[in-house]
Amino acid sequence: SQELEQSPQSLIVQEGKNLTINCTSSKTLYGLYWYKQKYGEGLIFLMMLQKGGEEKSHEKITAKLDEKKQQSSLHITASQPSHAGIYLCGADPLYQGNLIFGKGTKLSVKP
Amino acid sequence: GAVVSQHPSWVICKSGTSVKIECRSLDFQATTMFWYRQFPKQSLMLMATSNEGSKATYEQGVEKDKFLINHASLTLSTLTVTSAHPEDSSFYICSARAGPGGELFFGEGSRLTVL
Repeated sequence: SQELEQSPQSLIVQEGKNLTINCTSSKTLYGLYWYKQKYGEGLIFLMMLQKGGEEKSHEKITAKLDEKKQQSSLHITASQPSHAGIYLCGADPLYQGNLIFGKGTKLSVKP
Repeated sequence: GAVVSQHPSWVICKSGTSVKIECRSLDFQATTMFWYRQFPKQSLMLMATSNEGSKATYEQGVEKDKFLINHASLTLSTLTVTSAHPEDSSFYICSARAGPGGELFFGEGSRLTVL
């Protein structure tokens, strides 16, 4: 079965700093999702990547999928307190929508 | 954008009772919905795939007689936790896809506390 490992598990950054979160898969990724979750709340869809080498950006968040489609990174530029939360990567191994998730990366942004 | 709504947001019940959680797709039809469970400070674990008009598909280790799933219409799936026990206390989240290969939208989640 496919497993996703996220790193780091937690991250504390100063406001305005850049940061990167990584998601590594044990198998080839066919559909990689990034979500943000505040503890105890639902998931907010950020981006979905499918093609090797694909890169997408939304506001100050950029996500990339490597050429081999086994690793994705999420980069936040000039972090703000509003970026704080738990970032989850999810894979869709059967391309049917039943995602498996990494354990998440908890991001705290200090003002 | 598409919205998936869950109800109730939180519920407290006594041990031994049953609790029903609803998941609705508000502006699209979903032939398939997914139910996840999340324990405190842990990631989401897929419980089952809810299929409109047919039986749900459960993940290994999930008791189908305990977690009853009904997908009676294209916009509604329900999860019933039967004879709930304190160990069933968790955060339950549903998701739905607006079309093949499309974005997956998640509900706001339902927090169940069993006393």
